[in-house]
Amino acid sequence: EDQVTQSPEALRLQEGESSSLNCSYTVSGLRGLFWYRQDPGKGPEFLFTLYSAGEEKEKERLKATLTKKESFLHITAPKPEDSATYLCAVQRTGSNDYKLSFGAGTTVTVRA
Amino acid sequence: NAGVTQTPKFQVLKTGQSMTLQCAQDMNHNSMYWYRQDPGMGLRLIYYSASEGTTDKGEVPNGYNVSRLNKREFSLRLESAAPSQTSVYFCASSETGPSYGYTFGSGTRLTVV
Repeated sequence: EDQVTQSPEALRLQEGESSSLNCSYTVSGLRGLFWYRQDPGKGPEFLFTLYSAGEEKEKERLKATLTKKESFLHITAPKPEDSATYLCAVQRTGSNDYKLSFGAGTTVTVRA
Repeated sequence: NAGVTQTPKFQVLKTGQSMTLQCAQDMNHNSMYWYRQDPGMGLRLIYYSASEGTTDKGEVPNGYNVSRLNKREFSLRLESAAPSQTSVYFCASSETGPSYGYTFGSGTRLTVV
């Protein structure tokens, strides 16, 4: 069974204070690792897909990296608008249904 | 705006009542999904439909049924609601293929008393 564990559960940052979120995973074969952002009262919003170890993707102040066992989401010089819950999910190879298994998320609060 | 539309946004049910959560997407996506989200547990897959005409169980299907009415619509039914089904329910859709992330609806907050 696929397992996705995110840490920490919550992260409080000062504006401009860079940090990283961790997503460790166990899956029989990784087709893709996904990052989503979720604002309170809303559905998750797609950020990135990573496919192979060593891959990196960036969007504004966010950079996602992937190793064979975990992924990191780096937030560089965060702003209050980066406050949200960040979700990680994995998709397994060998199936044609493209289901995602999600972690519980990391809630990031950025104070001005 | 294009996307996934869920109705209703909020619902309170009494134990034993039934209801149907509606979901429609206008992006011509093949695949649709129903998840529930509970504090500390993340999103868990209830049912999914890889393509029109097919449905399959996910991780937590007990107490639920689904109908893929057509390519646009995928409904979730609770036949006899229980307090354990109090949750936030999200519908999502995606194109077929690993490159495509899901597009989620804004959710239905369901309370069963």
